[in-house]
Amino acid sequence: QKEVEQNSGPLSVPEGAIASLNCTYSDRGSQSFFWYRQYSGKSPELIMSIYSNGDKEDGRFTAQLNKASQYVSLLIRDSQPSDSATYLCAVTRNSGYSTLTFGKGTMLLVSP
Amino acid sequence: EAGVAQSPRYKIIEKRQSVAFWCNPISGHATLYWYQQILGQGPKLLIQFQNNGVVDDSQLPKDRFSAERLKGVDSTLKIQPAKLEDSAVYLCASSVSSIHEQYFGPGTRLTVT
Repeated sequence: QKEVEQNSGPLSVPEGAIASLNCTYSDRGSQSFFWYRQYSGKSPELIMSIYSNGDKEDGRFTAQLNKASQYVSLLIRDSQPSDSATYLCAVTRNSGYSTLTFGKGTMLLVSP
Repeated sequence: EAGVAQSPRYKIIEKRQSVAFWCNPISGHATLYWYQQILGQGPKLLIQFQNNGVVDDSQLPKDRFSAERLKGVDSTLKIQPAKLEDSAVYLCASSVSSIHEQYFGPGTRLTVT
């Protein structure tokens, strides 16, 4: 059973701080990793993808991957109240018709 | 580029009734997915199509759920008969292929009373 684990939160940070969201996965064959943002009542929106160990930066977002530890994280710098949402981690084997497995998501609350 | 389209956006039905959802993926996307998302949970894959063929329906409750993707473009998901526990948001997503990023439609919120 492939599992993706996330702390459900809420993770509360003040505006301007760094928010750190974490995710662990059980399938060692996982090759592709995604972070989706989901506002309340809306559908998931892709914000980051990462495929190799290390860091990947995109604006205020940095994804970090450590395949040996089966760990992927998302850092949000200079957090804004508009970043308040649930962040979903998703992983896939990326082989054949592999499917995407989602975690339950971490709720982030950024206070002004 | 137009996104994934879904309809209806909301549906309220009584238990034992039937309901159908429609999805139009992003143009050129060969892979189409239907997910069920219950409040407080991550999306759960129900069925995955590659063009008009099913490649994974292992979590689809086949006694009541059915889905098709005729001509490899639009897709419909049907529930018959509905149960109270089917109340959820049904999300359609598409991707260029199964190894590429998935993009989600707005979803259909189903309430079964």
